[in-house]
Amino acid sequence: DIQMTQSPSSLSASVGDRVTITCRASQSISSYLNWYQQKPGKAPNLLIYAASSLRSGVPSRFSGSGSGTDFTLTINSLQPEDFATYYCQQSYSTPVTFGQGTRLEIK
Amino acid sequence: EVQLVESGGGLVQPGGSLRLSCAASGFTFSDYAMHWVRQAPGKGLEHVSAINNNGGSTYYANSVKGRFTISRDNSKNTLFLQMGSLRAEDMAVYYCASSRVRGVTPNWFDPWGQGTLVTVSS
Repeated sequence: DIQMTQSPSSLSASVGDRVTITCRASQSISSYLNWYQQKPGKAPNLLIYAASSLRSGVPSRFSGSGSGTDFTLTINSLQPEDFATYYCQQSYSTPVTFGQGTRLEIK
Repeated sequence: EVQLVESGGGLVQPGGSLRLSCAASGFTFSDYAMHWVRQAPGKGLEHVSAINNNGGSTYYANSVKGRFTISRDNSKNTLFLQMGSLRAEDMAVYYCASSRVRGVTPNWFDPWGQGTLVTVSS
């Protein structure tokens, strides 16, 4: 199975900040990397698919980049509604696997 | 509006059985593969099972193989997960999700249902 490792596991930031979350795969997954946002008590929501494609309806302050084994999710100008947990997921091979999550908290 | 609504969760004793349902609306259910993803309390996400658009192909994680059965009724736009021989480690919120492709090949999940909680305890 492909292991997905996110860093950091948690971070604190302020409204208006720019934050970057990293996801590393245990082997090359090309661009088969997706990002989700999950708020407490809610289901995950797709933000970015295929490493850098923004899902329709997702604010443009969210962006993704990377290929191979190293990927990043960047949020520009943090808004209050962005404080949540973020997960990466590889869709390169079965079984699909998720990172352990990055909790983004208000500083 | 695209919507997935799970039901059927609840409290079950170890070794017991439970059947989850997921009702879909707002999209052509029979065109897409469907999935179950679970999340244990305070933990991350685990892909549990998948079924292709016509029900002819399925996938199970090793952790549930032989105990869970996924199925679908395209005439009723409904996905099912029959869970048996339940263990404490199966306790989780179970989400259904679509992958917007026909087969069980890996893809992103969108949309997701709101989830249903399965509690395994004596």
